[in-house]
Amino acid sequence: DGGITQSPKYLFRKEGQNVTLSCEQNLNHDAMYWYRQDPGQGLRLIYYSQIVNDFQKGDIAEGYSVSREKKESFPLTVTSAQKNPTAFYLCASSIFGVGVNTEAFFGQGTRLTVV
Amino acid sequence: GDSVTQMEGPVTLSEEAFLTINCTYTATGYPSLFWYVQYPGEGLQLLLKATKADDKGSNKGFEATYRKETTSFHLEKGSVQVSDSAVYFCALSAKRGGSEKLVFGKGTKLTVNP
Repeated sequence: DGGITQSPKYLFRKEGQNVTLSCEQNLNHDAMYWYRQDPGQGLRLIYYSQIVNDFQKGDIAEGYSVSREKKESFPLTVTSAQKNPTAFYLCASSIFGVGVNTEAFFGQGTRLTVV
Repeated sequence: GDSVTQMEGPVTLSEEAFLTINCTYTATGYPSLFWYVQYPGEGLQLLLKATKADDKGSNKGFEATYRKETTSFHLEKGSVQVSDSAVYFCALSAKRGGSEKLVFGKGTKLTVNP
């Protein structure tokens, strides 16, 4: 089945450690996105990529990094510079950007907890 | 900048009640508008969309009409079910830096009791 897969579902990290969240899609979508979800905050865009080897910062990129070496993969690294990393992280993809007659497909999310 | 404002939750209804979740937006140009639904512990799924003024999106008994004059896209359902309990997000597509991205509202949690 085509879809977008995030792993792991739950992740625990010690303070001061970097951690990488995986996102893979087999929908042949050009664009991929990372959002952060906090209670009462909705979804906030961290990074997005519209093509391999290219990505742009979203609204809350500080303390995060990404790579887009393959069309189907868009991993997110939460670095020790991120002051409040505990959150639910959602990856999404779309054909190219989001607009007329396009929709974003979301993964099941990764819940990251700093212990 | 572009933004979406939706009614604060949580909303609690009895089964078969009428549902309205208000959503208004601010945007330059003519965005596409979306409603997404998130069931507990899951990602978001597209519920419905509208791409131009006066369009009505509909799915699973839910409807929303793109109202340019009031910059609104309110979600309605005539008779809710327990299975509709979820968080609902209003969103628009916005052009930023030469590309388009989704801008989300903060979400409205709906609980439907039997």
